[in-house]
Amino acid sequence: AQSVTQPDIHITVSEGASLELRCNYSYGATPYLFWYVQSPGQGLQLLLKYFSGDTLVQGIKGFEAEFKRSQSSFNLRKPSVHWSDAAEYFCAVGARGNEKLTFGTGTRLTIIP
Amino acid sequence: GAGVSQTPSNKVTEKGKYVELRCDPISGHTALYWYRQSLGQGPEFLIYFQGTGAADDSGLPNDRFFAVRPEGSVSTLKIQRTERGDSAVYLCASSSGPRAGETYNEQFFGPGTRLTVL
Repeated sequence: AQSVTQPDIHITVSEGASLELRCNYSYGATPYLFWYVQSPGQGLQLLLKYFSGDTLVQGIKGFEAEFKRSQSSFNLRKPSVHWSDAAEYFCAVGARGNEKLTFGTGTRLTIIP
Repeated sequence: GAGVSQTPSNKVTEKGKYVELRCDPISGHTALYWYRQSLGQGPEFLIYFQGTGAADDSGLPNDRFFAVRPEGSVSTLKIQRTERGDSAVYLCASSSGPRAGETYNEQFFGPGTRLTVL
């Protein structure tokens, strides 16, 4: 069975500082990996996804993530956060032929001035 | 150009009552998904429709939960004899569905229905 672990429940960073959110997955084959963002009262929005190929993927809003098979990780990064990045971030794993997504428990990001 | 919509946005009910939650997917999307998000948790998969049929209902927690999509568009999630543990945000998503040669079809999520069982 596939699973996702997000070890950080809550992270606080200063505006303009860099950000890294951790995600570890468990899946027997090559996974499909995703990062979603959820703002209060909003639906989940896809930030980026990885299927195959280049292990560094670029997403929207200046986010990127790197797939590391040896570490079973797919960490999300941003070089300089903005106050509008404050939200809940979810890592998810899927698989070819399996339409359901398995989500982590999320990391809440707080931005301080 | 509307996204996925869900009604109602909030539902408060009493233990033991029956509730229906509605999802309107993006026009033309053949795949529809229901997830449940409990407080402090990530969304958990409930059921996936491809067209009118439930292709995967492995996430439904018990037989009190049922979902339909009779015309392949709007879907209704039905919960019988509600329990306090059913309180959560119920999320619906839709996608254009599997196509030959494509590895993944992005799931677009609605804002959710917050269900509170007193």
